Amino acid sequence: QSVLTQPPSVSAAPGQKVTISCSGSSSNIGNNYVSWYQHLPGTAPKLLIYDNNKRPSGIPDRFSGSKSGTSATLGITGLHTGDEADYYCATWDSSLTAEVFGGGTKLTVL
Amino acid sequence: QVQLVQSGAEVKKPGASVKVSCKASGYTFTSYYVHWVRLAPGQGLEWMGVINPSDTSATYAQKFQGRVTMARDTSATTVYMALSSLRSEDTAVYYCARDRPILVGATPVFEYWGQGTLVIVSS
Repeated sequence: QSVLTQPPSVSAAPGQKVTISCSGSSSNIGNNYVSWYQHLPGTAPKLLIYDNNKRPSGIPDRFSGSKSGTSATLGITGLHTGDEADYYCATWDSSLTAEVFGGGTKLTVL
Repeated sequence: QVQLVQSGAEVKKPGASVKVSCKASGYTFTSYYVHWVRLAPGQGLEWMGVINPSDTSATYAQKFQGRVTMARDTSATTVYMALSSLRSEDTAVYYCARDRPILVGATPVFEYWGQGTLVIVSS
């Protein structure tokens, strides 16, 4: 059971938009920044969003992040098959003194 | 450019130990925390701990305390993660990941990742 709760899977058609939620508590999301990572099988995870809504260099603006209270959301617009991957939210948990990840959400582009 | 190159795959028997290396290049080694994260089959990403290469201080996830040790060799710009008393549930791909510049109180951000090291624990 992960400290951060994500839906196991989401799906949408090519060209459409999808959102992935990440729910936590005051000891993690509520008081710390959230990051999002994309993981394609056989590769290393890739940073998509950090500090709730910032994109590293090279990440297209199709990817966006937001945070409200103890929840965070990753948005992806203009979906294409190359976006099919597992997506993870992450943040620091001040009570556990540990970095915590969501359980991961598998995105399918139908 | 920043690179993290990990050691090769390992096959270990239950009860044994494994040591995975992560050689860093392209940046000032002592200025950035390095974390270890693993991905077991059918599971999600799991944080194991972090080491400060400037002073070797480390913080471990409670789940691994007593079994994991993180160390560094400054001259070799290499970080190591050792896990003992291996069991089948430790079969996973282990990643090292570099954080952003060391800042007190900053939330970790895994900007760069190693390629991963597969560790198989099987009798």
